[in-house]
Amino acid sequence: EIVLTQSPATLSLSPGERATLSCGASQSVASNYLAWYQQKPGQAPRLLIYGASSRATGIPDRFSGSGSGTDFTLTISRLEPEDFAVYYCQQYGSSRGTFGGGTKVEIK
Amino acid sequence: EVQLLESGGGLVQPGGSLRLSCAVSGFTFSSYAMSWVRQAPGKGLEWVSVISGSGGATYYADSVKGRFTVSRDNSKNTLYLQMNSLRGEDTAVYYCAKGATSRTLFDYWGQGTLVTVSS
Repeated sequence: EIVLTQSPATLSLSPGERATLSCGASQSVASNYLAWYQQKPGQAPRLLIYGASSRATGIPDRFSGSGSGTDFTLTISRLEPEDFAVYYCQQYGSSRGTFGGGTKVEIK
Repeated sequence: EVQLLESGGGLVQPGGSLRLSCAVSGFTFSSYAMSWVRQAPGKGLEWVSVISGSGGATYYADSVKGRFTVSRDNSKNTLYLQMNSLRGEDTAVYYCAKGATSRTLFDYWGQGTLVTVSS
């Protein structure tokens, strides 16, 4: 089973700053089947990125994903107030869709 | 509009059973795999189980294998999760999620139902 490790656990930034979130896999993710989700308190997760770098429908272009193999990155170019949330990476290359532990992006 | 609505959560004693339901609308239910994902209070997301569109293939996380059973009724557009031998560590919000281009890539989620296992 692939284990995903996200870093940092918490990122303290101000609106307008750039956020860089990392996700490392214990083994190569098949076909770069790596997704990113955003979750706000009391809400269900929302799909942001799939295939490591493709934005889901309706996702603003300030969100971008990159990486391959075992190292992946989610970048938020300029943080908007609504972007402060928890972000999870997930691999879906196997029949078991494992998640990383999450990165909380909080207001500094 | 795609909608997923979970129900069936509640308080149950350790060792007890509970069945969750997820009623869906807005897409051709039988064409898509469906999953259950849970989130313990204050914790991260944990994938629990997936079922193929036809219901012919199912997979489980090791933490629930042998205790939980996923099923679906395509005539009723409803997904189920039968949970037996419940433990305290099963306490969580349980989400149903629709598979997208891959079985365990989730493009739509329900709002979740809380299951509390406690005496």
